[in-house]
Amino acid sequence: DAGVTQSPTHLIKTRGQQVTLRCSPKSGHDTVSWYQQALGQGPQFIFQYYEEEERQRGNFPDRFSGHQFPNYSSELNVNALLLGDSALYLCASSLGPPQSDWYEQYFGPGTRLTVT
Amino acid sequence: DQQVKQNSPSLSVQEGRISILNCDYTNSMFDYFLWYKKYPAEGPTFLISISSIKDKNEDGRFTVFLNKSAKHLSLHIVPSQPGDSAVYFCAASAIHQTGANNLFFGTGTRLTVIP
Repeated sequence: DAGVTQSPTHLIKTRGQQVTLRCSPKSGHDTVSWYQQALGQGPQFIFQYYEEEERQRGNFPDRFSGHQFPNYSSELNVNALLLGDSALYLCASSLGPPQSDWYEQYFGPGTRLTVT
Repeated sequence: DQQVKQNSPSLSVQEGRISILNCDYTNSMFDYFLWYKKYPAEGPTFLISISSIKDKNEDGRFTVFLNKSAKHLSLHIVPSQPGDSAVYFCAASAIHQTGANNLFFGTGTRLTVIP
């Protein structure tokens, strides 16, 4: 049973560029959430997708956008990259409520983004 | 505003002894609390959770205690093993009016189990 997968593993971009990160959820999961983890901090919620729609968004600017595909996989796009966007980007999948254990989110290994 | 706090950045424990990791929160609307373990270069791994209507949940060597009046939870690991050495994150779940739920994380506690 494949867990959450993310690609690429590492990425180096220049300020002002755009980046796309990809995520495939755990088998059977239909909900995908994205988190940003800065060095020495806990993950911070960016947004959550369910049924191909953004259901909730954290405190992140519009430069951060996403998409969910019919097969439940998801992309995170960041435009006009800033140095402060350098972080580990984590994708998590879960079952939407009212499924049992809907609150448990399972994380992928992350994509390490470095902006120079 | 940090809604979930882990005030101890690190903890060292001898193998075989008990490890106690603490977490405080401010939002009384949280409905579930979770603990995750994270190794370097890996994503957080789900360990154990507890509903806000319970005060204890046990799974093998791991037990989570919730004190709602104090807005405090703790993770007990007994007995501690060297393989438990990792960063532990406390997280709280809040369900949104849209049906979405997001996790609020603490800053983590690095546990080192000394053989």
